[in-house]
Amino acid sequence: EPEVTQTPSHQVTQMGQEVILRCVPISNHLYFYWYRQILGQKVEFLVSFYNNEISEKSEIFDDQFSVERPDGSNFTLKIRSTKLEDSAMYFCASSHRGRNTEAFFGQGTRLTVV
Amino acid sequence: AQTVTQSQPEMSVQEAETVTLSCTYDTSESNYYLFWYKQPPSRQMILVIRQEAYKQQNATENRFSVNFQKAAKSFSLKISDSQLGDTAMYFCASRHYGGATNKLIFGTGTLLAVQP
Repeated sequence: EPEVTQTPSHQVTQMGQEVILRCVPISNHLYFYWYRQILGQKVEFLVSFYNNEISEKSEIFDDQFSVERPDGSNFTLKIRSTKLEDSAMYFCASSHRGRNTEAFFGQGTRLTVV
Repeated sequence: AQTVTQSQPEMSVQEAETVTLSCTYDTSESNYYLFWYKQPPSRQMILVIRQEAYKQQNATENRFSVNFQKAAKSFSLKISDSQLGDTAMYFCASRHYGGATNKLIFGTGTLLAVQP
């Protein structure tokens, strides 16, 4: 069964460093998403991406964050100048179409900023 | 604005028993989807069940079923014949249908422990 895969599963980074979280969505999916879950809190929407551009972003997704689909398979989330409060689980998701289909989630990347 | 509320932070159930997790939501839209996601200790988000708001019939998936009360904006999950593998955090979520946004709005979750 096709699945969304994320790498790495766990990343530790120094405060102020840049990190790139990687995702390979399901191959025939057209919509891509990043969500964040701070430990013990609810899952929060960060950004959605369609047709090589951001279709929606939350207030969390400020200039510190960026997304990119550098090739036909990867979808990346870049976090610049990481802060302690960026420590969280980051989930990538994809859906075949945006409106009428559910999103399938990857297993998440645990980001720890020290 | 969409909101999703789960008022039960933790629940416990004996193996083989039935448990119901509560969820209420608020939206100004008439067309939307509702979901229950399971997050086991591995922390992966797994879709359990989906309900389209325009459907009156409650969705079922094997041991999982929902009680969708549209007028009351209530969407509870019933787990029958609970198994140890059902131990997980359960998130209720909503998403608009056919609008400009596809984002999921999640509740705060209910931690379910199935006891042997």
